[in-house]
Amino acid sequence: EAGVVQSPRYKIIEKKQPVAFWCNPISGHNTLYWYRQNLGQGPELLIRYENEEAVDDSQLPKDRFSAERLKGVDSTLKIQPAELGDSAVYLCASSFLPYEQYFGPGTRLTVT
Amino acid sequence: RKEVEQDPGPFNVPEGATVAFNCTYSNSASQSFFWYRQDCRKEPKLLMSVYSSGNEDGRFTAQLNRASQYISLLIRDSKLSDSATYLCVVNGRGNTPLVFGKGTRLSVIA
Repeated sequence: EAGVVQSPRYKIIEKKQPVAFWCNPISGHNTLYWYRQNLGQGPELLIRYENEEAVDDSQLPKDRFSAERLKGVDSTLKIQPAELGDSAVYLCASSFLPYEQYFGPGTRLTVT
Repeated sequence: RKEVEQDPGPFNVPEGATVAFNCTYSNSASQSFFWYRQDCRKEPKLLMSVYSSGNEDGRFTAQLNRASQYISLLIRDSKLSDSATYLCVVNGRGNTPLVFGKGTRLSVIA
């Protein structure tokens, strides 16, 4: 069974540039999560989708971050414009049962 | 007080040793508890759920103490392949699904 797919795996951009990350969850998983993980920290939830609906986006910095999950399957997370402090690993996860999450390999973002 | 707190380590132990990690959580209403494992530069993976009665999976034993609001993970007969960061995970306040601790780093040495 294919796992959670994310792309790109690595991205280096200059500050003030836009960047987008893509996630394809495990087939049949209706819940999708975007996390940010800084070095030496645990993942922090940015947004959670139940099908197409964003049900928890309280931690998403809405001035520069946006996300969408069209048709309740794939999702994209965008940052515009990126800041130096956005450098982190962005993890996508999906689940069928509420608390059994499966993570993708992540996108390592470096903002210079 | 942070929602989930862990000793960051590192814990450096010889092969064959027994090692235990503790984790405290602040939300007394939490109902779901997990340990995830994260290898260096990899994604977190579910290691085991933690049940009220405690549970065991091979060399790994998880315990929950609701009165003191902490969970523990015990690893017996440590292997080199156990070297990783172990993340304590608890469901958060309100409808927040999961809150991750910072993780405890384990290095098993030959």
